[in-house]
Amino acid sequence: AQSVTQLGSHVSVSEGALVLLRCNYSSSVPPYLFWYVQYPNQGLQLLLKYTSAATLVKGINGFEAEFKKSETSFHLTKPSAHMSDAAEYFCAVSEGNRDDKIIFGKGTRLHILP
Amino acid sequence: GAVVSQHPSRVICKSGTSVKIECRSLDFQATTMFWYRQFPKQSLMLMATSNEGSKATYEQGVEKDKFLINHASLTLSTLTVTSAHPEDSSFYICSASHWTVNEQFFGPGTRLTVL
Repeated sequence: AQSVTQLGSHVSVSEGALVLLRCNYSSSVPPYLFWYVQYPNQGLQLLLKYTSAATLVKGINGFEAEFKKSETSFHLTKPSAHMSDAAEYFCAVSEGNRDDKIIFGKGTRLHILP
Repeated sequence: GAVVSQHPSRVICKSGTSVKIECRSLDFQATTMFWYRQFPKQSLMLMATSNEGSKATYEQGVEKDKFLINHASLTLSTLTVTSAHPEDSSFYICSASHWTVNEQFFGPGTRLTVL
């Protein structure tokens, strides 16, 4: 069975500071990993995904994540936070088979302080 | 990325009535559609997976007779909440994928409020 653990339900950073959102996964097979962002009352937008190619994945809006198999981690980072980054972020895992279901973490609310 | 729409975006209904939510893939043919529900300040919980032309596969604990899912075409899936009750109030999100792409495309969600 697969699972995802997001450390910290709320993270606050100052505008311009580094953003680090933590995600650890559990999977019995090589995983596909995703980060999604959700703004209030909206659906999910894919930020980036890891699909067994390069371990450092670059996504939209300046975000990137690094797959570390030894640490079973897939932390999301952004060098400089912007006010518009305030949202809910979900880490997710799937087995990578086509049409496979995705298992979501509980989410981390990112707050940007002026 | 591909576009998925949901209709309606918000619905308020009385307890005991049924509500239908549509999920459409606008620019691609979705071989599989997924239905999730999300309670306030919580994560998405997968309810069911549906493949076009076949019966949906429900996750454990999801009542198939209460949450009817139809995936009659490659661009449309519907979720019908039958005899809705206040505890069914939630944010329902669908996603769609095609077997050639390892990605799900999410709809904007439907806010259901049962009075």
